[in-house]
Amino acid sequence: QQQVKQSPQSLIVQKGGISIINCAYENTAFDYFPWYQQFPGKGPALLIAIRPDVSEKKEGRFTISFNKSAKQFSLHIMDSQPGDSATYFCAATPGNEKLTFGTGTRLTIIP
Amino acid sequence: GAVVSQHPSWVICKSGTSVKIECRSLDFQATTMFWYRQFPKQSLMLMATSNEGSKATYEQGVEKDKFLINHASLTLSTLTVTSAHPEDSSFYICSASVGWYGYTFGSGTRLTVV
Repeated sequence: QQQVKQSPQSLIVQKGGISIINCAYENTAFDYFPWYQQFPGKGPALLIAIRPDVSEKKEGRFTISFNKSAKQFSLHIMDSQPGDSATYFCAATPGNEKLTFGTGTRLTIIP
Repeated sequence: GAVVSQHPSWVICKSGTSVKIECRSLDFQATTMFWYRQFPKQSLMLMATSNEGSKATYEQGVEKDKFLINHASLTLSTLTVTSAHPEDSSFYICSASVGWYGYTFGSGTRLTVV
């Protein structure tokens, strides 16, 4: 029940395209859903996060879509750029507790 | 913003020796720190949660006598890998809880045991 399932495992998108990564969870106590970006040899960095009281949150080229009834949330990267090539992790937590991470998606943006 | 400084960024040690990794919160007080381990191309695996002044809470399967965590102050938490062996080689990352619904991560430490 603590798992967060993430897909796809890897994703190749052409420059300028839309990158979409999906996550699903079971624990209905989760109420904070962040997305992290990690470059090789670095710690994760917060990209964007959402609470379940809204269905969408947008920050620049990054958008989280949240479907509470389906217990799913997704990250959309618009106008994907080579600099977006990284590993992305979704996560969830039931309040100010430990994060449960998804398995990660390796995103590659090609010219 | 809240910054966690993690050192060293990489370390190579001989099998059987101990290695200490430090994480400092630079501009805030970190009441709760989390320590993760990450193998290549895998997700972050939580090892333990520590609260300032208390004993760390270890996740199932993590040897608390091997991975010693100290969180003696609100700005410093350390992870000591004791009697390290090649299988302990990994990327170790600390994270601090910042306010409500906030987490900031250190830059990670690449440990190689030879």
